[in-house]
Amino acid sequence: EPEVTQTPSHQVTQMGQEVILRCVPISNHLYFYWYRQILGQKVEFLVSFYNNEISEKSEIFDDQFSVERPDGSNFTLKIRSTKLEDSAMYFCASSWRVGDEQFFGPGTRLTVL
Amino acid sequence: LAKTTQPISMDSYEGQEVNITCSHNNIATNDYITWYQQFPSQGPRFIIQGYKTKVTNEVASLFIPADRKSSTLSLPRVSLSDTAVYYCLVVFTGTASKLTFGTGTRLQVTL
Repeated sequence: EPEVTQTPSHQVTQMGQEVILRCVPISNHLYFYWYRQILGQKVEFLVSFYNNEISEKSEIFDDQFSVERPDGSNFTLKIRSTKLEDSAMYFCASSWRVGDEQFFGPGTRLTVL
Repeated sequence: LAKTTQPISMDSYEGQEVNITCSHNNIATNDYITWYQQFPSQGPRFIIQGYKTKVTNEVASLFIPADRKSSTLSLPRVSLSDTAVYYCLVVFTGTASKLTFGTGTRLQVTL
């Protein structure tokens, strides 16, 4: 069964450093998403991406965040200058069409020290 | 976006049927009702989606009354491995369809 993959599984970084979280969505999917979940809290939407541009973003997704689909398979989330409060699980998801089920990856646990 | 309300937690014994009800009073015409499951330290996983009446798949059934202001996820004969958090979401399928998660229902299944 096709699945979304994410790397790394765990990333530890110092405050102020840049991090790039990588995702490989399911190959024929067209819609891509990033979510995050701070430990013990709700899953929060960050951004959706379609046709090489951002479709929608939340208030969390400020100028420190960016997304890119650098090639036909990868989808990345960059945090330019990490803060302590960016520590969370980051989930990538993809779907074939709008409104279809979203397939989530296993997540990247980001720890900012 | 319609807000959803569901119980914070439920307990069940293995082998029982579990019904989790969700209310979504402000659901709009173009909204679908979707349920996801999440195990600790894993990404959410789609269970079932419906618009009205009843939908059934290999893992669950979803019952939606005519007014669509509530829905019930039914898990037949749960096992220990069904212990997870279950999220009821209302999804607008017009654009991008971001998922807005609430706190979910924490289901604990015991022997």
